Amino acid sequence: ILNVEQSPQSLHVQEGDSTNFTCSFPSSNFYALHWYRWETAKSPEALFVMTLNGDEKKKGRISATLNTKEGYSYLYIKGSQPEDSATYLCACTGFQKLVFGTGTRLLVSP
Amino acid sequence: DVKVTQSSRYLVKRTGEKVFLECVQDMDHENMFWYRQDPGLGLRLIYFSYDVKMKEKGDIPEGYSVSREKKERFSLILESASTNQTSMYLCASSTRASGRANSLTSSYNEQFFGPGTRLTVL
Repeated sequence: ILNVEQSPQSLHVQEGDSTNFTCSFPSSNFYALHWYRWETAKSPEALFVMTLNGDEKKKGRISATLNTKEGYSYLYIKGSQPEDSATYLCACTGFQKLVFGTGTRLLVSP
Repeated sequence: DVKVTQSSRYLVKRTGEKVFLECVQDMDHENMFWYRQDPGLGLRLIYFSYDVKMKEKGDIPEGYSVSREKKERFSLILESASTNQTSMYLCASSTRASGRANSLTSSYNEQFFGPGTRLTVL
């Protein structure tokens, strides 16, 4: 089974801080990398799906980069807001199936 | 908006009962998935389906079965519920990536999740 690791496990920042998380995955047999945001009492919601080495994607204050050769992706949040508080999941497709990491739980205090 | 609905938000069952969890999506997606979420563990795939009447085992299929008789509906069945099946169950759907339908192309596109069912087995 593909092993997808996320760090840190949790993070507590102040409103306005910028932050980033890491998703690590085996670089062999890579096909796609997904990022999801999961707010409490809601459904996980897709942020990005990336497939190409060097890919960079942006949605508002959130952006992500992908390095398939070394097997990692970074998710950045610029100027964190309390509404960014959620668990951020990454998931990777290797030879088959999507495998999720355990997530990074972000808490943004006003 | 894509909508994925699950039959119950909370469910309490007794050990040994047969349990049905239903999932319906309204966007004509080819792929559907069942996951469970437990504290300290990532979403783990139980079963998925990339076409009507097609099903494939995920990483933790033991104790579960599935049914996909119609494209929009994917049911998860706990044949004889046990306490270690107490968990949050999430259903998801996605469109199929171009190419032959298989477990790999079923994983390319973003997945749309339902609200989850928190199942407690006593």
